[in-house]
Amino acid sequence: RKEVEQDPGPFNVPEGATVAFNCTYSNSASQSFFWYRQDCRKEPKLLMSVYSSGNEDGRFTAQLNRASQYISLLIRDSKLSDSATYLCVAHTGNQFYFGTGTSLTVIP
Amino acid sequence: NAGVTQTPKFQVLKTGQSMTLQCAQDMNHEYMSWYRQDPGMGLRLIHYSVGAGITDQGEVPNGYNVSRSTTEDFPLRLLSAAPSQTSVYFCASSYSSRYNEQFFGPGTRLTVL
Repeated sequence: RKEVEQDPGPFNVPEGATVAFNCTYSNSASQSFFWYRQDCRKEPKLLMSVYSSGNEDGRFTAQLNRASQYISLLIRDSKLSDSATYLCVAHTGNQFYFGTGTSLTVIP
Repeated sequence: NAGVTQTPKFQVLKTGQSMTLQCAQDMNHEYMSWYRQDPGMGLRLIHYSVGAGITDQGEVPNGYNVSRSTTEDFPLRLLSAAPSQTSVYFCASSYSSRYNEQFFGPGTRLTVL
């Protein structure tokens, strides 16, 4: 079983839409979680860390549910520039486990 | 700061050849790691290091060696290249292995014929 599982999409949404990505992790000992963004043929870059209390950064909201071992990312008022692949990451011990990524295309 | 740098950007090898992918960071980060990224597989950890002189295996270590003689450098060696090692390789670093974001290099695109 993969450590982190994500719906690969693709998600095609119109500008201004709200879109949600979900991710599950298998190891209850995972201690921290992140969402990364990866543009085509580029390196991943941190979008936001995910905290148990939930956290928000502008149009982006991340939530963690430890009981269900579930992480989510909500993007409100989607912009064309949000088009990218979003990677869910679980940090367990000294290792970081990446999901396969969810592809988002925002359409004009 | 240059951040995390990787060389080369592109490389083509023949089966059986060996080579070293270079990775360096100038942020005085303790933790460094190597990933490979393949279509549909996401990023998979090859090897990592929690400090100079310390390395450990990740999820897919076979066919690769690493060393960490300095804090700054973390080279990845392919011992005898195989077509299955065709991939994009990313090096990453973070201040420590605990609760810290990773910063990635620009990647090396490797093709093994």
